[in-house]
Amino acid sequence: DVKVTQSSRYLVKRTGEKVFLECVQDMDHENMFWYRQDPGLGLRLIYFSYDVKMKEKGDIPEGYSVSREKKERFSLILESASTNQTSMYLCASSGSEEGWDEQYFGPGTRLTVT
Amino acid sequence: GENVEQHPSTLSVQEGDSAVIKCTYSDSASNYFPWYKQELGKRPQLIIDIRSNVGEKKDQRIAVTLNKTAKHFSLHITETQPEDSAVYFCAASTGYGGSQGNLIFGKGTKLSVKP
Repeated sequence: DVKVTQSSRYLVKRTGEKVFLECVQDMDHENMFWYRQDPGLGLRLIYFSYDVKMKEKGDIPEGYSVSREKKERFSLILESASTNQTSMYLCASSGSEEGWDEQYFGPGTRLTVT
Repeated sequence: GENVEQHPSTLSVQEGDSAVIKCTYSDSASNYFPWYKQELGKRPQLIIDIRSNVGEKKDQRIAVTLNKTAKHFSLHITETQPEDSAVYFCAASTGYGGSQGNLIFGKGTKLSVKP
């Protein structure tokens, strides 16, 4: 049974703080993803990674960076949090090196920036 | 780049009725189309997917159809039950998967099934 966990369910930070969101998967998946979910906007891809130390920008990478030092862990970093980054953040992983496979989502982190 | 439009944004049906959610995509190279269900307060979970070499796929009360020429695909839920109430997301692939692409999601449809 695939398990994707995220470090926090709820997080409150102040404007300008550096924020780390952690995601860990236990299925040796190649691919990991960070999405942002906002009402009426669906799921928007921030960054994804298809291998250790590899990363690709998604649709809305501005204001974010990522780190993947180990295969099972993918971190999302907000260098200087702003109020417009208040959102639900979802991590996901999938196993395929080629082609398409199911993405398994974590429980989400609801981040509030005040 | 790829754009996915999903309609309707909200859908209310009586228990036992059918529900249909439609999505269109713009990239003719897209070849994978999953549907995710997200119950209130929970994570999205895959309920069914279809690949471009297939026109229709069924799994019990759920079916998905794909029209590659028109670039649209639809989710059909028959004999709806209250536990079908959730937000449903369609998605379309870009690239070739793995290291070479990702999914573009629609904005979601909130389905309410009234007992």
